[in-house]
Amino acid sequence: AQKVTQAQTEISVVEKEDVTLDCVYETRDTTYYLFWYKQPPSGELVFLIRRNSFDEQNEISGRYSWNFQKSTSSFNFTITASQVVDSAVYFCALSEYSGGSNYKLTFGKGTLLTVNP
Amino acid sequence: ETGVTQTPRHLVMGMTNKKSLKCEQHLGHNAMYWYKQSAKKPLELMFVYNFKEQTENNSVPSRFSPECPNSSHLFLHLHTLQPEDSALYLCASSQGPGSAGGHNEQFFGPGTRLTVL
Repeated sequence: AQKVTQAQTEISVVEKEDVTLDCVYETRDTTYYLFWYKQPPSGELVFLIRRNSFDEQNEISGRYSWNFQKSTSSFNFTITASQVVDSAVYFCALSEYSGGSNYKLTFGKGTLLTVNP
Repeated sequence: ETGVTQTPRHLVMGMTNKKSLKCEQHLGHNAMYWYKQSAKKPLELMFVYNFKEQTENNSVPSRFSPECPNSSHLFLHLHTLQPEDSALYLCASSQGPGSAGGHNEQFFGPGTRLTVL
């Protein structure tokens, strides 16, 4: 069975600090995809990034960066110079092929990030 | 309207009531999903529909009854719910197999906050 672990339940930082959210996954699939989603207080999950298991290049998008390490089964997310608007719950997810034409996401429990002014 | 919409945003119902949640996606996707998000628990996948056909029922109690009349609309009919069914119900949609071979990102609606008294 697939599993996604986000060991940090809550993180609190002061604005402009850098913060890294950890994600560790388990899967038997050789081809898989990893995702990060952001859930602000409004409730809607917002897609941030998708990364496939064959691409270990780190990715940077503005203040966001992702570090994919297949050797340690980790897909960590760093926010540089955090801002109050970054306050949200962040979910890491793993895409699983579940048979036929079906794919489903397994989510971690999420990390609540609070950025204080 | 763009993206994924859900109505109502908030719903309070008694255990003997019957109500329905509605989801509509304006993205041209062919897969739709219902998730349940309870406090302190990971997102739980409930149902998956591909091209209007139900392809996944994640051992959901029969008091939850999904309906997908077309690829753009998804309903969740509720009857004789229990207080422990109180949660945020999220709808999502995704494109069929494409560049990611089915591991496509899901786009979420804002959710319906359900309270069962």
